[in-house]
Order: sequence, then structure tokens, then C-alpha cells
Amino acid sequence: EIVMTQSPATLSVSPGERATLSCRASQSVSSNLAWYQQKPGQTPRLVIYGASTRATGIPARFSGSGSGTDFTLTITSLQSEDFAIYYCQQYNNWPRTFGQGTKVEI
Amino acid sequence: QVQLVESGGGVVQPGRSLRLSCSTSGFSFSSYAIHWVRQAPGKGLEWVAGVSHDGNKKYYVDSVNGRFSISRDNSKNTLSLQMDSLGGDDTAVYYCARAGCSAGSCSRAWFDPWGQGTLVTVSS
Repeated sequence: EIVMTQSPATLSVSPGERATLSCRASQSVSSNLAWYQQKPGQTPRLVIYGASTRATGIPARFSGSGSGTDFTLTITSLQSEDFAIYYCQQYNNWPRTFGQGTKVEI
Repeated sequence: QVQLVESGGGVVQPGRSLRLSCSTSGFSFSSYAIHWVRQAPGKGLEWVAGVSHDGNKKYYVDSVNGRFSISRDNSKNTLSLQMDSLGGDDTAVYYCARAGCSAGSCSRAWFDPWGQGTLVTVSS
């Protein structure tokens, strides 16, 4: 099983600032890496797939990078609606696995 | 628009069984793999099971293998999860999530979209 490790667990950021979230895979997942956003009481929402492709409707302030084992989600100029928990997920191998999440808080 | 609606959740005693369903619409169901993902209260996301577009390939996380069974009915655009020998660790919101691209477009896919989830509580 591929273990996905996200850091930090919690990221405290002020509105308008940049947030950088990290995700590391225990072995290579190529570019088969997705990021999801989840707000309290809501369903997870796809943000990034293929490590760097924004999902439909996702603002350009979200960007993803990386391949192999190390990945980054960057949110420039954080807006109030961006405060949420972000999960990375690999879909290269079975079982599909998620990171434990990074909470982006004010 | 694409819709996934889960049903079948509820309170069940330890050791008992429950069957979840996911009704879908707005896309060619038989062209997409589809999955179950769960989230225990206050915890992160855990992939549970997935099935290929044609139902021929099924995959499970180790913790449910042998207890849960995923199936699909392409004539009814419906996904199911039969859960047997339930335990407290199975208490969670269960989401169905479609593969982000069709079987003809990619062999590995992210999850998009997701349903709203159905809560399963295992308790005596």
C-alpha cells in the first residue's frame, strides 16, 4: 500500500497570503495525484488532478506541481472560501490512498 | 447534470449487515469506474472499494476485503455496497464517487464527482 503523507497538519494563513501544502508518497505514483477540498459538513470537491491540472471551475489561484513522490498544492492570495481541509490522493496503485489532510485555517 | 445519490445508511448492530446504494444520472454510467469512499466522524477520507466500468474488476481495501462486496447494475445506473459483519470501525459517512474520466479515456482516474454521502452507524 502506498502511504501518502501530508504536511503540515495545520496551516495558519491570513487572507491574501500564500499557502503551500505538501504531499509525499511512499513510492512513485507518477503524476496520478489528485487534491480535494473539503469544508465542514460538505462533500469533497476535486481541485487538482494529474498533479497539476485544475478541475473545472477551480480558480487560477490554485496550482499543483510535482511528480513521482513529492507534490505541492499552492494557493496564492487566499480567499475566505479557501479555508478548508485539503487531501491528496494517489490513483496510480491499488488500494487508492489518501493523505491524512491539511487544515488551512485563518 | 451529473448526480450521485447514496441511500441505505442507518444504525445497525455490530455483526449485522447493511446494503448501500448509489443511484446515478446525467452520464453514461456503464462507461465509468465507480468507487465507495468513507469518512469516520472527525477523520479523513478512506477509499473502500472500486469497480470497473463493466463490473469485471473489483478492488477493496484490506480492512473490508471478505466482508464487503461492491457491485453495479449498468441497466439501472446503480452502484451497491453489501456490508457484512459490521464493526464499530465501519461507522462513517459513505460516499460514492465516479471516476473522473471514462474507461475509454484513461486507465487510472481521480474521483469526480462525489455524492452527498450516507451515514452508517454501527452500535448496539
